[in-house]
Amino acid sequence: DSGVTQTPKHLITATGQRVTLRCSPRSGDLSVYWYQQSLDQGLQFLIQYYNGEERAKGNILERFSAQQFPDLHSELNLSSLELGDSALYFCASSVGGGGNSPLHFGNGTRLTVT
Amino acid sequence: AQTVTQSQPEMSVQEAETVTLSCTYDTSESDYYLFWYKQPPSRQMILVIRQEAYKQQNATENRFSVNFQKAAKSFSLKISDSQLGDAAMYFCAYRRGAGSYQLTFGKGTKLSVIP
Repeated sequence: DSGVTQTPKHLITATGQRVTLRCSPRSGDLSVYWYQQSLDQGLQFLIQYYNGEERAKGNILERFSAQQFPDLHSELNLSSLELGDSALYFCASSVGGGGNSPLHFGNGTRLTVT
Repeated sequence: AQTVTQSQPEMSVQEAETVTLSCTYDTSESDYYLFWYKQPPSRQMILVIRQEAYKQQNATENRFSVNFQKAAKSFSLKISDSQLGDAAMYFCAYRRGAGSYQLTFGKGTKLSVIP
């Protein structure tokens, strides 16, 4: 168990809808990262937050947004969903913002858009 | 931009044998870190081993070891005495030493272990 909790485990929704994925980092970790894993694109970095502030942005669509709350949990909001958004969404956390502190991943949320 | 390449989409190994998974990366940075993650069918991403670029000594973790060739930008993973539980997707990942710290992943290698 990595200590990173993601909910829900599975999500099925229709095109055009909006969903929210939730992540609780490991106790003491200040950084949260969101990744999207799809068959064709592999693991793509979306966004990083450190202690409530956005630290880095990757290949995140404008339809997607995220935030990290004062209690350090994070939410990833996906709107105007398309079939191509179907993927496994991972949250990961680390103690600091970098160095060799490894990322600890949650079990992911499987999103299916129909 | 940094890129990570895993040239072997699939590999197989006999139980108790040794297998090596390849990874190359491209970067202009001198300070960085390299990782191997394992993703079993349960889909959780599990850290296998990590290597700091400034360290010449290759990292080892029990049956797992790496061959880090900095000049060649190569970072292969060797699994000794393969076990059935080693069957998984293996991802090589790169992380800069400064600035933003997200991981850049390769496409992965699917490892099968034959009993």
